[in-house]
Amino acid sequence: QSVLTQPPSASGTPGQRVTISCSGSSSNIGHNIVNWYQQLPGSAPKLLIYTTNQRPSGVPDRFSGSKSGTSASLAISGLQSDDEANYYCATWDDSLNGPVFGGGTKLTVL
Amino acid sequence: EVLLEESGGGLVRPGESLRLSCAVSGFTVSSNFMNWVRQTPGKGLEWVSVIYTDGSTYYADSVKGRFTISRDNSKNTLYLQMNSLRADDTAVYYCARDFSKGVLNAFDIWGQGTVVTVSS
Repeated sequence: QSVLTQPPSASGTPGQRVTISCSGSSSNIGHNIVNWYQQLPGSAPKLLIYTTNQRPSGVPDRFSGSKSGTSASLAISGLQSDDEANYYCATWDDSLNGPVFGGGTKLTVL
Repeated sequence: EVLLEESGGGLVRPGESLRLSCAVSGFTVSSNFMNWVRQTPGKGLEWVSVIYTDGSTYYADSVKGRFTISRDNSKNTLYLQMNSLRADDTAVYYCARDFSKGVLNAFDIWGQGTVVTVSS
């Protein structure tokens, strides 16, 4: 099972704001930045947020990230139907000495 | 165009070997930190290995001693040699670039993935 804990599912209606949580520990999120990936059905993951709250070029500002202690969150505002995807958090783990991922959250737009 | 294209996946029996390739276009493989990440329905995304610009290599404990990451600078290609394969190595394998060169472990370019199935 994954080092980082995410809820398996989340949902919202178009236009709504949803948040996805990612829980870790002092050996990972507590001391390191968090990245988020979006994986559309049948596609490879795509970098969505890096350094906890930075967006790569081309990612809308509807997507934002935050961190507090050993947890992180991804917020999506103005939800759209094409936001329906799996979302993964990721960070470095000092104990495992490597990158670790969350188990993923499947976002459904109702 | 920046592109990663994996190949080499397939069906193998436990204990057998397989070599994955990742052809890189649009940037130089030797100037970047290049990773392999795998994905299974049950365990999600799992980091496998990285090769640094200086040639240093690192592995997840689950593959250490069995997998070897390498690159061919003349072919601008990344490889993953997988030996002593086990059923739990069954996954989609992605190559991915870390644009931060290890500072952020942020993978900005991914290939489309190649499927490895280990089964008797």
